[in-house]
Amino acid sequence: DGGITQSPKYLFRKEGQNVTLSCEQNLNHDAMYWYRQDPGQGLRLIYYSQIVNDFQKGDIAEGYSVSREKKESFPLTVTSAQKNPTAFYLCASSPRTGSYNEQFFGPGTRLTVL
Amino acid sequence: KQEVTQIPAALSVPEGENLVLNCSFTDSAIYNLQWFRQDPGKGLTSLLLIQSSQREQTSGRLNASLDKSSGRSTLYIAASQPGDSATYLCAGDPRGAGNKLTFGGGTRVLVKP
Repeated sequence: DGGITQSPKYLFRKEGQNVTLSCEQNLNHDAMYWYRQDPGQGLRLIYYSQIVNDFQKGDIAEGYSVSREKKESFPLTVTSAQKNPTAFYLCASSPRTGSYNEQFFGPGTRLTVL
Repeated sequence: KQEVTQIPAALSVPEGENLVLNCSFTDSAIYNLQWFRQDPGKGLTSLLLIQSSQREQTSGRLNASLDKSSGRSTLYIAASQPGDSATYLCAGDPRGAGNKLTFGGGTRVLVKP
């Protein structure tokens, strides 16, 4: 059963803590993305990766970090430097980025800072 | 910088009525456009992708058009059903590289039985 999985579905964090959100895909897609969604707003790009061991900053990368050690995995770490981390986080993937390809999304992780 | 706007922010219609959702972008150099559906608390489901060489795409009751000269895309949903209630988002790819989709804020649709 192919798709994109994100875990956990809900995550609670105390101020000052780092947390890592998981994103895994078995679609054999080259490109992966992380977005943030705030209530009533569209998505904003945090980081993206076109190939293993390579990634680029999106529009709102400050306070976040990523790694891409395996093609199927693209974890996102929300660090204590992110001042307003409470949001809905969505991971996506697409086959390749040489020409445009449809992006497919996971179910999301809702992060709440206590 | 590309900006994408969706108006109205919310829309309520009786079942059976046709839906017209609008998406406008500031930079007509947009290359490809994708429409998504999002149910509350869920991820995004891709509905239609209009690539740069195309002007419209159709899938079942859904039809999306893209007019680059006016910087607008429209999503039509025929004969709406209560199951169509969701938020609909459009996203444009300004550089044709598929890297950085710019999203609109979405239109929240309620179809009343």
